[in-house]
Formats: sequence, structure tokens, C-alpha cells
Amino acid sequence: IVMTQSPATLSVSPGERATLSCRASQSVTNKLAWYQQKPGQAPRLLIHSASTRATGIPARFSGSGSGTEFTLTISSLQSEDFAVYYCQQYYNWKTFGQGTKVEVK
Amino acid sequence: EVQLVESGGGLVQPGGSLTLSCVGSGFTFSNFWMSWVRQAPGRELEWVANMKEDGSQAYYADSVKGRFTITRDNAKNSFYLHMSSLRGDDTAVYFCAPDGDGFPNWGQGTVVTVSS
Repeated sequence: IVMTQSPATLSVSPGERATLSCRASQSVTNKLAWYQQKPGQAPRLLIHSASTRATGIPARFSGSGSGTEFTLTISSLQSEDFAVYYCQQYYNWKTFGQGTKVEVK
Repeated sequence: EVQLVESGGGLVQPGGSLTLSCVGSGFTFSNFWMSWVRQAPGRELEWVANMKEDGSQAYYADSVKGRFTITRDNAKNSFYLHMSSLRGDDTAVYFCAPDGDGFPNWGQGTVVTVSS
């Protein structure tokens, strides 16, 4: 299953809303996770099961979607949220998207 | 607190072999499938392989099938990645992670560089 993320880069001002998209080449039901990764660090799980926040993740992060179309929304970007975000399906084996870089506008 | 510590990375020549280790703590290691995930420089994450709790089943990405083998020792809370016939495109940071709904926990990774 191929995961395609868009856009590749998203330029956003602090305090603004960010919307990231992830599309699967076939249905993955709700077996979809989102990760945040900062330079030199391991990924951090934000969302699993398409819409469930992982332990300790702030409420400004939300996930939605099912089947082949998914969205990660960051309601009000904080300085620590500028990073690369990956989606991953775990319905059939495990594959990651190519990432969306959220940068300061 | 869940901790995962990878080790064994380094510089290896093309065609060479290397074994990576992962030691887990803070969770019941023998209750979890375990995965290796890698990330080439500037690239996206790539799932490499995973193994069932008791070691009876193992699955591999097509990119490493026939060259990489995974094993585990539940008595030592350890998980291994045996890599052979290494190529330049195997250069990456290698992470281990227990499977779940996604990967909730990650190690810090160990760097493998394949170069002459």
C-alpha cells in the first residue's frame, strides 16, 4: 500500500491552523497513524487508529478520516510544532508516507 | 518507562555484514511483536522487518528480503537484525520499536553507513 502525503512543505505562521493530508492507494480502514519528527530525533506517535491521540499528546492535534483519505489538523501552531510529519498505515504490513515539512512562514 | 536501546551500528564495506541489537525495558518484551524501522539520510521512514512475540513468525520488506534476518531472545529482552550483502542504499539510522497501534515507543536509533 502506497501512502501519499500532501503538501510536501507547508508554510504556516505561529498560531495559525495547519492541515496535512495523507492518501492510501487502497483502503486501510482506520489503521492509520501520524508521527512528528524533529531533526536528530526518533519519531513521536501523535495519532493512532486515524483519530485517537496517543498518550500525552496535546488536544490541538487531531486526526480524521477512514478508508483512503486522512487528515491531521494542528489547530493553533506552537513553536515546538514545526517539524516533519509522517503518516503510516498498519492495515497491511506497514508503510509510511514521504512526509510533510511544516515550516515557519 | 519504556526504553529501547539500539547498538551495533557502524561503518561497513559494500557486501559486508553487521548485526544490530535492541534491548527493551519498562514493558513485557515477550508480549509484543517487535519491528525494525530505518531512515536513510534526508529520507522517509521505512519499515524493515518484524517478528512475532514468540519468534515463530518473521516478515520482511521486499528491499531486504533474503539479505536481512531478525531474531529475538525474550530471556534477554533483546531483538536483533542480522544484515548481510549490505549495499549503499542500506545506509540509514535503524530504529527498533514494539508493534502496536502504530509505534508508540522508539529507541534513539543506531547509524549504519555502507561505504568503501
